Parts: sequence; structure tokens; C-alpha cells
Amino acid sequence: SSELTQDPAVSVALGQTVRITCQGDSLRTSYATWYQQKPGQAPVLAIHGKNNRPSGIPDRFSGSRSGNTASLTITGAQAEDEADYYCNSWDSTIDHVVFGGGTKLTVL
Amino acid sequence: QLQLQGSGPGLVKPSETLSLSCSVSGGSVGSPYYWAWIRQPPGKGLEWIGSPYYGGPTYYNPSLKSRVTISVDTTKNQFSLKMTSVTAADTAVYYCARGFEIAVLNYWGQGIPVTVSS
Repeated sequence: SSELTQDPAVSVALGQTVRITCQGDSLRTSYATWYQQKPGQAPVLAIHGKNNRPSGIPDRFSGSRSGNTASLTITGAQAEDEADYYCNSWDSTIDHVVFGGGTKLTVL
Repeated sequence: QLQLQGSGPGLVKPSETLSLSCSVSGGSVGSPYYWAWIRQPPGKGLEWIGSPYYGGPTYYNPSLKSRVTISVDTTKNQFSLKMTSVTAADTAVYYCARGFEIAVLNYWGQGIPVTVSS
């Protein structure tokens, strides 16, 4: 399958830990990349590779993978983390990039 | 600091060809990176359109490949998207981006809203 599946919406209490997941066959051979998108803005790269954060991304963001599932974990979620989060990866079976449907994170 | 500036018509008629450009500043389209077009229909998620790699192949989304051409112009330091036979389903914000891997896009343009309507 060339699809990546994400939960449409997730909520977390302020200061608590939340995990956003991304599932798909391509993740067995390729790491997921995670993007944060706030309303009206372009996506921003948040996590790539095994668990790499670009400069400017707080260290409360981390990534992991197990089997065909990748996870983005926010430890101690802040109000400014409220956003849509997208995963993507390279699908080597059909040579194309696939995006997940996105997860809307609400910080309560 | 690399900057990507997308441009193109905001309104395209059905069945016509959509043409967008992405001007690159602070870097060269001739450098060994992946350049990408991604789109996002209103209220929906991101969809990868395609990615050229200078001096290498251009990869396309199979679902769009028959209608899409992405080209790189080193003389103008820009890359472009052409999409033929557009329909209302092609209405979206179109982003240009650059990545150091094909799926790792660390620079994005501001987005070009495109509406397909008569």
C-alpha cells in the first residue's frame, strides 16, 4: 500500500505528553518525516530521519518508529503546539512521496 | 538564507493549463537538492505533486503524472510546474519547496492559492 494513515484529531492537556502516529507499509523501509502546519502558513519541518530536529524546533518534539508505525511525541505540550501535523515518506515500491492525511492537535 | 517565492495566476479556467513558477534566492536550483511541488486543497491535507533533482530524474505522483511537467531553469534560477486539463479538483494552495532528501522538505515557499473556475 502507498498510503500513510493518521488519526484525524488528537487532543492533549497543556503540559502533558501526546503521541501522534502515522502508519503505512513504506515506513518499514523509510523513516517518516513530520511537518507542523499552523493555519494560513506553510508547513514547517519538525522531525526527520531516525529522530532529527531542525534548528528552531523545541526539544520537546521527538520521533520514533516501530514496524510500520512512526510516532511524533510532544513531551510537555504547549499552547503554541496546537497545529496540524503531517507525516510523509518515500515509497520505494512505486517511487513516489506519500503524505498522511494529517492530525489536528488541540491543546486543552 | 534560502527563500522560495512562488508565482502564477490565481484563477484558471477548467480544461486549461495551470502554470506556476518558483523563484529561488539565497541558493541555486543547480545545487544538489530536491525541488518539489506540493498542493493542499481547501480544508484538506498535503499532496505531493513531483520533485526534480538537478542532473537527475524527476519523480511524479503517479495519480498526476499524465498531466504534470516540472522543469528546472538554471538561467532564471527557478523551477516551474505545468498542469494540463485542470478541473475544479485542482483548486488548491500550491507550495514549492526544497529538500535535502526527496521526502524531507526544509524550505517552503509561501503558497500560491489557485482556483479553477469559469
